[in-house]
Amino acid sequence: GESVGLHLPTLSVQEGDNSIINCAYSNSASDYFIWYKQESGKGPQFIIDIRSNMDKRQGQRVTVLLNKTVKHLSLQIAATQPGDSAVYFCAETMTGNQFYFGTGTSLTVIP
Amino acid sequence: DGGITQSPKYLFRKEGQNVTLSCEQNLNHDAMYWYRQDPGQGLRLIYYSQIVNDFQKGDIAEGYSVSREKKESFPLTVTSAQKNPTAFYLCASSNLHGNQPQHFGDGTRLSIL
Repeated sequence: GESVGLHLPTLSVQEGDNSIINCAYSNSASDYFIWYKQESGKGPQFIIDIRSNMDKRQGQRVTVLLNKTVKHLSLQIAATQPGDSAVYFCAETMTGNQFYFGTGTSLTVIP
Repeated sequence: DGGITQSPKYLFRKEGQNVTLSCEQNLNHDAMYWYRQDPGQGLRLIYYSQIVNDFQKGDIAEGYSVSREKKESFPLTVTSAQKNPTAFYLCASSNLHGNQPQHFGDGTRLSIL
């Protein structure tokens, strides 16, 4: 199967600092990537996506970077807030139908 | 509001019992999916359906069954053949045209009595 993993299982940041969450993927044919946020006891919530013809995409306080050369995806959260505390995981697909999901990084924001 | 509704939020299963998890969406999405989430693991695909009355097995379909009689509904039955059913079950849906994100419900936590 696919191998989508995260470099760090946990991350703690001070409120107001920037957070960077990383993801490695193994299938060079994957052409669409998504970051999700999952709070305890809830379903994953879409944050931002990026297609393989791009290397950067920005949203509100979030930026996704894609490095196809090393098969690496990162999520940057600016001015991290307590409400950002959650598990973040990436997903990849090359078909648009079947996605492969990473195990997640738990982000804790310290007030 | 448009979205995906899963019910119940918590479910308990007795030995030898089949239980059915409900998933309804009003997003007019063609595709629907069931995933299982276990601690420390990524989501694993159980079944998916791209059209009414058709569905395909995912990576861990053994011990599960589904139906897709309506576009809006994709119930999952956890049968007695599934020996380790305790998990968090997530339903998702998406459009099929181009790369589109999957939208998730808030899950059902299934436990064994």
